[in-house]
Amino acid sequence: QKEVEQNSGPLSVPEGAIASLNCTYSDRGSQSFFWYRQYSGKSPELIMFIYSNGDKEDGRFTAQLNKASQYVSLLIRDSQPSDSATYLCAVKIGGSNYKLTFGKGTLLTVNP
Amino acid sequence: DGGITQSPKYLFRKEGQNVTLSCEQNLNHDAMYWYRQDPGQGLRLIYYSQIVNDFQKGDIAEGYSVSREKKESFPLTVTSAQKNPTAFYLCASMGRGAFFGQGTRLTVV
Repeated sequence: QKEVEQNSGPLSVPEGAIASLNCTYSDRGSQSFFWYRQYSGKSPELIMFIYSNGDKEDGRFTAQLNKASQYVSLLIRDSQPSDSATYLCAVKIGGSNYKLTFGKGTLLTVNP
Repeated sequence: DGGITQSPKYLFRKEGQNVTLSCEQNLNHDAMYWYRQDPGQGLRLIYYSQIVNDFQKGDIAEGYSVSREKKESFPLTVTSAQKNPTAFYLCASMGRGAFFGQGTRLTVV
């Protein structure tokens, strides 16, 4: 089982809709979870991080974490064409010598 | 400005040649990472370092080497043993999340 798994997509939504991106992880001891956005040809940029079970909201973005199910998701409300990008889920794995492991990413296209 | 600087932005390597990619950060972060990204793929971990003079192999370390002599610097050498080095290389430092440099595109010519 891969450490971090994402549906590769592509996921296509109309402008103004809610986009839902999902991620599962294998290490039950993982404590920190991150969502990144990567535009084509660019480096990833951090959107949100979440440490505790439940929801965390920041503007149009909501991260959801369920540690019992080993599942983290990102909701994008009122999707805009500028949100079209690849979204990467990352999980901090390990104790003091931790590493940051990424999923393969989900390509999101928002259609005007 | 605070941030992570990678250089060069583009690099061309001849067969059998070693090349070194630079990564410098002024964010005062202890942890630094090197990733490789191939077209349409996610990020694969090459090496990482939590502290000066210490580093660990990631998932795809073969054919690569690193050093961590200063907190600010974590250079990556792509050796001739790396048979398929053409890729986008990303360096990151870790605060509350990982912050990336602009990347280096390495091409074998």
